[in-house]
Amino acid sequence: GEDVEQSLFLSVREGDSSVINCTYTDSSSTYLYWYKQEPGAGLQLLTYIFSNMDMKQDQRLTVLLNKKDKHLSLRIADTQTGDSAIYFCAEISNSGYALNFGKGTSLLVTP
Amino acid sequence: DTGVSQDPRHKITKRGQNVTFRCDPISEHNRLYWYRQTLGQGPEFLTYFQNEAQLEKSRLLSDRFSAERPKGSFSTLEIQRTEQGDSAMYLCASNPLAGEGEQYFGPGTRLTVT
Repeated sequence: GEDVEQSLFLSVREGDSSVINCTYTDSSSTYLYWYKQEPGAGLQLLTYIFSNMDMKQDQRLTVLLNKKDKHLSLRIADTQTGDSAIYFCAEISNSGYALNFGKGTSLLVTP
Repeated sequence: DTGVSQDPRHKITKRGQNVTFRCDPISEHNRLYWYRQTLGQGPEFLTYFQNEAQLEKSRLLSDRFSAERPKGSFSTLEIQRTEQGDSAMYLCASNPLAGEGEQYFGPGTRLTVT
């Protein structure tokens, strides 16, 4: 199967910006998604981007898409301790409906 | 609460027992998905329903696993003769037919097989 790659850990100070990177493999993916998972909980949809866009901003979140390099990033401005969680990027699989997830990036925000 | 709900939230069972989990999707969502998530991994797709029809099953769904969605609303996932390797978080998600593919997840059922 295809692999969605993410760096495993990121640590930032409260108030700084966080940038979480992802490399996906399916160039035909129409949408790409970012999810947040807190300990012991399900996945919360944060934002998503259509593949014909290169940027999407939603309050403190900015998604950048480089389709040529199949690179997706999520920037969180003014990171807060409540942002500490695991962040997953996901692409729609070849089937057109199931999601392929990366292994997740664990974000730690320190005071 | 109009989100996806799952029951039970936690299940501890002995190896060899059967277990059944339930998922109630968001009302009027035609599509329903089951995923499995093990520690340190992202969710892995198991199966997909559109209304009551099971349209896709992944290779991960062995013969011991069966899923149903009899009336196109709630779904059940049954694991027969559980093995320790079945220990995982089982996540359910749903979305409408019309949309941008975004899936809404429930809180998951944590299964521990001893």
